[in-house]
Amino acid sequence: EVQLVESGGGLVQPGGSLRLSCAASGFTFSSYDMNWVRQAPGQGLEWISYISSSGVTVYDADSVKGRFTISRDNAKNSLFLQMSSLRADDTAVYYCARSWFGFDYWGQGTLVTVSS
Amino acid sequence: AIQMTQSPSSPSASVGDRVTITCRASQDIGSNLDWYQQTPGKAPKLLIYAASILQSGVPSRFSGSGSGTDFTLTISSLQPEDFATYYCLQDYNYPRTFGQGTKVEIK
Repeated sequence: EVQLVESGGGLVQPGGSLRLSCAASGFTFSSYDMNWVRQAPGQGLEWISYISSSGVTVYDADSVKGRFTISRDNAKNSLFLQMSSLRADDTAVYYCARSWFGFDYWGQGTLVTVSS
Repeated sequence: AIQMTQSPSSPSASVGDRVTITCRASQDIGSNLDWYQQTPGKAPKLLIYAASILQSGVPSRFSGSGSGTDFTLTISSLQPEDFATYYCLQDYNYPRTFGQGTKVEIK
């Protein structure tokens, strides 16, 4: 069974940093591209970052470019999102999602709250 | 970035109704469009990819159509579990962009 489990969310002050993780199981992680998608409270979905299966190619949304870094460790079946210079408008549930035909599997999400 | 615009924003419908949601892209995206369903407190679920291909396990009352800039998600006979928010997503290029969402509510 495919599973994606995010962790690392929590309360952080504006300007702070946080590292999210997504643990993958039930499939050959190294064969799949991955994404991070977020959802602010009561708002819609926002794609924020993509990484290719090898980790060589990455894309970021303008809203996080230069502040967030996506990475992966295929040996540990893990996806990461390093977030820095956090702002109040980064407050959201962060989901990791597998790319295949569409985003076919999603994690349950981890809540990041940026507040003083 | 490609803009995705969904309509209507919040239709109300009854069980058994046929519901149609549209998504318009700001430029030609071919058939590179997916549809997702999200219920409160849950992760989104892929319903349709490549504009019209039903994801495995999704009921056949869901269907998708369109290409280029105009796309449609149709629920042929609304069931109680279908009251949810629906999003389109263009996967033609980066940055990927979602529509703003369409919340199907009970009439």
